[in-house]
This record gives sequence, structure tokens and C-alpha cells, in this order.
Amino acid sequence: AQKVTQAQTEISVVEKEDVTLDCVYETRDTTYYLFWYKQPPSGELVFLIRRNSFDEQNEISGRYSWNFQKSTSSFNFTITASQVVDSAVYFCALTQAGTALIFGKGTTLSVSS
Amino acid sequence: DGGITQSPKYLFRKEGQNVTLSCEQNLNHDAMYWYRQDPGQGLRLIYYSQIVNDFQKGDIAEGYSVSREKKESFPLTVTSAQKNPTAFYLCASSISPGVENNEQFFGPGTRLTVL
Repeated sequence: AQKVTQAQTEISVVEKEDVTLDCVYETRDTTYYLFWYKQPPSGELVFLIRRNSFDEQNEISGRYSWNFQKSTSSFNFTITASQVVDSAVYFCALTQAGTALIFGKGTTLSVSS
Repeated sequence: DGGITQSPKYLFRKEGQNVTLSCEQNLNHDAMYWYRQDPGQGLRLIYYSQIVNDFQKGDIAEGYSVSREKKESFPLTVTSAQKNPTAFYLCASSISPGVENNEQFFGPGTRLTVL
């Protein structure tokens, strides 16, 4: 069975704090893809990153970074120096069959000034 | 501009009425998807279509129906058989089915409220 768990339901931080959003996945396949999406208050999902199961290199994009560890089946997302505009719901998702995404329940991040 | 459009943004219907949500894409994508989002929940798959005139049920297809007569369009009908239809509905598309690294592009969503 495939499953994505985001244990943190809500996180509140103050601007400029660093914050890490956790994602743990379950899959039996050796080939799979992991995604992170951002959902601002407007509701539309915004793609952030895609990572395949064979690439465990960490990735950094501006203030965003991702840590993929197959040994712990985790794909965590860190925002450095958070800003108010980072306030949103963040979803981690998994696909292995090239069809639909399996989503976690999301983490609501609130950044206050 | 290329993208996915969903209409309307807000929809109100009386209990027992069928309602159709529109989803159109001009990205020339083969695959299209419908997801449902409830408060505090992730997105759950309702239906998906990998090619014109073909579609498959997702995890929560009961009470819903779809059609895929054109590549660009994938309308979703919420029928009276759906016991709890009030939710946020998101449509997505991706380049082609069976490609494991497919990025899915999402529309702005339709918020359906059944009174």
C-alpha cells in the first residue's frame, strides 16, 4: 500500500525563523517520485519540487531546501528565514505508476510578522 | 496563456440536484484528473483520464461521473447519489500517462456548497 504521512497538522512561526515540514512515505516499489506542492489561500496548488527515488541528493532553491532520505522514507522540506508570504498549506505527494498522486493531509504553516 | 481553467469558482446547489463542474486545459496534456479536498484532509482522487474517451475511477468515485469527449475538457458531474458533496474540487492535468515523473498542473478549483 502507498501512503504519505504529514504528522504536523499546523505550524506557527515568527518571520525569519527556519521551519521544517516533515513527510514520511510508504511504498513497495523501488521506482517512485515524490513531490511538494504549496496551496496558498487562493486554493490553487503550486508545484515546488519533484524528486525520483534514485536521486538522494539534497536540493536547495533560494530559501527552500529538501532532504530526501530513503533509509527513513522521508522527504522533508525546510524554509529558511521564513516570510509572511510563505503562509500556506503544504502537501507532500507520491506517485509510482505515473497516474494520480497520493497526497498527505497537508501541513498548515502560519508565519507572523 | 496556457493553463487550466475551472468554472465556476463558487457554486451553490440545493440538496438532491446534480451539478457539473467544468475543467478545460490548453496545455495539450493527455491526462486529466479530478481531486476532492475536505478541510484538514489531503486531496483524494475521484476520477482520472489518460486519453480521450477513456477514464478510470479513483478512490472516491461513488456519486460522481465524468466524460472525456475532447482532449481539452474533463467535466465532473456531482450527482444526487453523492452523500456529502460540499467540498473543494481541483482539476489537474499532466503531459502523458504512465510517465512516472509527471508533474501535475492544477486549476484554481471550484468550491461547491450544497444547501
